[in-house]
Amino acid sequence: QVQLVQSGAELKKPGASVKVSCKASGYTFTNFHLHWVRQAPGQGLEWMGGINPGGGSTTYSQKFQGRIAMTRDTSTSTAYMELSSLSSEDTAVYYCGKVSEASIWYSLIDSWGQGTLVAVSS
Amino acid sequence: QSVLTQPPSASGIPGQTVTISCSGGSSNIGSNYVYWYRQYPGTAPKVVIYKTYQRPSGVPDRFSGSKSGTSASLAISGLRSEDEADYYCASWEDSLRGPVFGGGTKLTVL
Repeated sequence: QVQLVQSGAELKKPGASVKVSCKASGYTFTNFHLHWVRQAPGQGLEWMGGINPGGGSTTYSQKFQGRIAMTRDTSTSTAYMELSSLSSEDTAVYYCGKVSEASIWYSLIDSWGQGTLVAVSS
Repeated sequence: QSVLTQPPSASGIPGQTVTISCSGGSSNIGSNYVYWYRQYPGTAPKVVIYKTYQRPSGVPDRFSGSKSGTSASLAISGLRSEDEADYYCASWEDSLRGPVFGGGTKLTVL
């Protein structure tokens, strides 16, 4: 069965960077795009960007352009999301998610990782 | 301010049918699939409807999705206590080249 296992919780200081990993199993990693979505405490879901694990191409929400980078390692079926210049407003649970249809950008998430809490505090 | 509009809350009694609406525009719901997610407190979202009408295996047929124009709905029939959760709609947004979400609806089973 599809599994997405994310790295553990992080505590960061303002101005620092964080890198969250998402290890996939149970399907062909390179066939399905992966998106990253975050959820601030008590808030809704916010899309951050996505990656095509096959070719490595990415698309980012304009809100995060310039301080976000998504990468992948096909040898370990792992995707990464790095966010820099953190502020308290970046405190949130970060989720990775695999889309439901192979090889197309305009598909949405059908399987989610368990989430990674990133707390930003001085 | 979410791109897709959902009522913040909904409620029903056990056995009743509850419908949650999701309103968007021509560049999202009007031209793309709609997904619905259920989220219990402290856990990751889980898809209950994908590609507007489809139910994943393991999701009971009490859950159904529909769409008309730029609006979509999630109906839950035979309401049960375990249906109490937050529900989010989502659709692809052509102008963003990414998904957009509703603000979420907190469903209470009275």
